[in-house]
Amino acid sequence: GQNIDQPTEMTATEGAIVQINCTYQTSGFNGLFWYQQHAGEAPTFLSYNVLDGLEEKGRFSSFLSRSKGYSYLLLKELQMKDSASYLCAPMDSNYQLIWGAGTKLIIKP
Amino acid sequence: NAGVTQTPKFRVLKTGQSMTLLCAQDMNHEYMYWYRQDPGMGLRLIHYSVGEGTTAKGEVPDGYNVSRLKKQNFLLGLESAAPSQTSVYFCASSYTVAGGPDTDTQYFGPGTRLTVL
Repeated sequence: GQNIDQPTEMTATEGAIVQINCTYQTSGFNGLFWYQQHAGEAPTFLSYNVLDGLEEKGRFSSFLSRSKGYSYLLLKELQMKDSASYLCAPMDSNYQLIWGAGTKLIIKP
Repeated sequence: NAGVTQTPKFRVLKTGQSMTLLCAQDMNHEYMYWYRQDPGMGLRLIHYSVGEGTTAKGEVPDGYNVSRLKKQNFLLGLESAAPSQTSVYFCASSYTVAGGPDTDTQYFGPGTRLTVL
């Protein structure tokens, strides 16, 4: 079956760095998306990886290792507005997104 | 551009009642999706459409029907609502698939919060 594993909740301090891990098992692989979802709102696109390695986008970076079925999202210089859930979603062989339950990130001052 | 819009934003139904959720997008996207999101679970795909006049079943289609009569609209129907259908429903759209992030990224509407009593 298809499975996504992310920590349920993480806590970090404003200004610090946090890494959110995601391991996945899917039928085929056509890239991996990370989305951000603030409480009560819709998910919004953050990053995409299809090749192994690191993709950097401002304060956010995402890493992929296809052989290990592993990705992480790295958030630097944390701000209070980064308090949200982060959803890992690999795309399977049918080009459908398989969604993890998300990691709730709590930022403390 | 409004992006993806959904109506209504909130709804309370009694068991056995029916309703239709409307999703509209103004980005000329071919693909549209209906998901439900429940606490502690990932988004689950209910139905999707790869173009006007087409629909397909997702992971959890039972109890739902859909129609895509116009490219910009995707309707989700509940014929006889059940308490198990209490959830937040999200519509999403993408230009296509298999083209990388510029075309495959899904854009979401604000959601409909449905409670079935």
